[in-house]
Amino acid sequence: AQSVTQLGSHVSVSEGALVLLRCNYSSSVPPYLFWYVQYPNQGLQLLLKYTTGATLVKGINGFEAEFKKSETSFHLTKPSAHMSDAAEYFCAVSARHSTLTFGKGTMLLVSP
Amino acid sequence: DTAVSQTPKYLVTQMGNDKSIKCEQNLGHDTMYWYKQDSKKFLKIMFSYNNKELIINETVPNRFSPKSPDKAHLNLHINSLELGDSAVYFCASSQSGDTAQETQYFGPGTRLLVL
Repeated sequence: AQSVTQLGSHVSVSEGALVLLRCNYSSSVPPYLFWYVQYPNQGLQLLLKYTTGATLVKGINGFEAEFKKSETSFHLTKPSAHMSDAAEYFCAVSARHSTLTFGKGTMLLVSP
Repeated sequence: DTAVSQTPKYLVTQMGNDKSIKCEQNLGHDTMYWYKQDSKKFLKIMFSYNNKELIINETVPNRFSPKSPDKAHLNLHINSLELGDSAVYFCASSQSGDTAQETQYFGPGTRLLVL
């Protein structure tokens, strides 16, 4: 069984500030970890994913995430927020022979 | 070119009715999925098809029946609609479905409101 916990249903930042969205996972086997973004009234789009290899993963739009096995975490960061980053962000986990399990999402609000 | 498309985008209907949602992908993928996103934005898989064969069927009422006429299409038929069926339904696809590492590509969603 696997699960994802996203801390904070809403995160507010100012434009230009650091973005940090937290994700912790639970998996009994080596996990594959994903971040998806959902803009208003749209489907989900992959930001980045960790499968194997380098634990620091870079994605689209300047986002990156680091897989930390000891902390069972996969937090998403971006050095400088833009207004266009305002969206819902979903962390998800899968593993061999299992389906994708999503967290409950974090709404990122960016103020000018 | 839309990779994963769904119709209709919005669906408003009365309790007890039967409705269908259609999904098509032009990515050449072998696997397609249906997800339900509830009012709290929680996303949960319902079904998965690989090359027209059902491979995942989560705990979903029998009123929901997926149908895959070919590997590019996965439709969702819902009988006797209930208020609790109101949600956004997303179709997705992935290349082979053999590996849990694959990226899933999502459609824009169908917003279903049952009155």
